[in-house]
Amino acid sequence: EPEVTQTPSHQVTQMGQEVILRCVPISNHLYFYWYRQILGQKVEFLVSFYNNEISEKSEIFDDQFSVERPDGSNFTLKIRSTKLEDSAMYFCASRGAPAEAFFGQGTRLTVV
Amino acid sequence: EDQVTQSPEALRLQEGESSSLNCSYTVSGLRGLFWYRQDPGKGPEFLFTLYSAGEEKEKERLKATLTKKESFLHITAPKPEDSATYLCAVQAGNFNKFYFGSGTKLNVKP
Repeated sequence: EPEVTQTPSHQVTQMGQEVILRCVPISNHLYFYWYRQILGQKVEFLVSFYNNEISEKSEIFDDQFSVERPDGSNFTLKIRSTKLEDSAMYFCASRGAPAEAFFGQGTRLTVV
Repeated sequence: EDQVTQSPEALRLQEGESSSLNCSYTVSGLRGLFWYRQDPGKGPEFLFTLYSAGEEKEKERLKATLTKKESFLHITAPKPEDSATYLCAVQAGNFNKFYFGSGTKLNVKP
């Protein structure tokens, strides 16, 4: 069964460092998303991506964040200068013509 | 402001004890309502999509229903393996982002 794949599963980084979280969405899906979940809190929308550009972003998604689809299969989230409060689970999701989105297993980002 | 509220926050059931989880929502331009299951440290796992009031979907011991303002996830004769956090999400807007509720943490004891 097709699935969304995220790497790495866990990333530890020093405050101020850049991190890139990677996702391989389900092939032939057209809409891509990044969400995050701080421990014990709700899943929060970060950004949606369609037709090779950002279609919507939240207040959380400031200039420190960027997304890219460098090739036909990968979808990345870059955080330029990580802060302690960026520590969270980051989920990638993709959606095709049906409405439901399928989520990856997440990357746990720990900023120390 | 668009909002999704789930209740209760936590629910403890004995194995076989049926119950319901609630998701109420206020969004403009609703495209669909989704139920996901989330196990600790894992990503949300898709369960159901509901599009219109009156719609019902079933999967094993789970049944989801939708009205104009809320959705229920009914769990019939739950088993310990049903223990998880159940998330409700609504899809709205032009690019169909999802708004998640805080979830209901279900614990089913044998």
